[in-house]
Amino acid sequence: QITLKESGPTLVKPTQTLTLTCTFSGFSLSTSGVGVGWIRQPPGKALEWLALIYWDDDKRYSPSLKSRLTITKDTSKNQVVLTMTNMDPVDTATYYCAHSQGDDILTGYYNWFDPWGQGTLVTVSS
Amino acid sequence: QSVLTQPPSVSGAPGQRVTISCTGSSSNIGAGYDVHWYQQLPGTAPKLLIYGNSNRPSGVPDRFSGSKSGTSASLAISGLQAEDEADYYCQSYDSSLSGYVFGTGTKVTVL
Repeated sequence: QITLKESGPTLVKPTQTLTLTCTFSGFSLSTSGVGVGWIRQPPGKALEWLALIYWDDDKRYSPSLKSRLTITKDTSKNQVVLTMTNMDPVDTATYYCAHSQGDDILTGYYNWFDPWGQGTLVTVSS
Repeated sequence: QSVLTQPPSVSGAPGQRVTISCTGSSSNIGAGYDVHWYQQLPGTAPKLLIYGNSNRPSGVPDRFSGSKSGTSASLAISGLQAEDEADYYCQSYDSSLSGYVFGTGTKVTVL
């Protein structure tokens, strides 16, 4: 059974850096084709994909947020860390991590997200 | 900002069939990338409903079905039940953005 859980601060101040950790079990990030992604959802709004790290350490970022995001993995600890710099109140959202896989392990173009963690609400306010 | 457009809401009576559209472009759905669907019940994390355009994960009722044609995809829910009241999102890959994209989301209401 695959499970994921997000952890990190619930409140950050504007301009600060957010660091979120996704701790997972039931799979290894060294297995071909596997990835872990981060997705966020502002209150009452739609889902927004942020970043994904693959089994081979390839990384992809949302173009609109690429300059602010860094995703890393620690395979031995079964953790993926997302950092987002220069936080702003518009970044207030529930942040989810999710296991990802797809039908083309070489490109990742067909990946879906399943399952998801429970999410963590991050509020940006002074 | 999303490049995948969904109707904001759809509704139907119990037992009816409803469909949710997901309209993209030549850089995502039209380029041949798969469409996946998620169900988000109130206050919970999204759950995978359909992957690879039309495949149901184990445990998902066969009342849910997906299809894709051209630059669009659809999710159909037949035999609508009260427990289907939720938000639904489509997701694909976009070559222009070199990343994954979600739809704008659709709220399904059971009358």
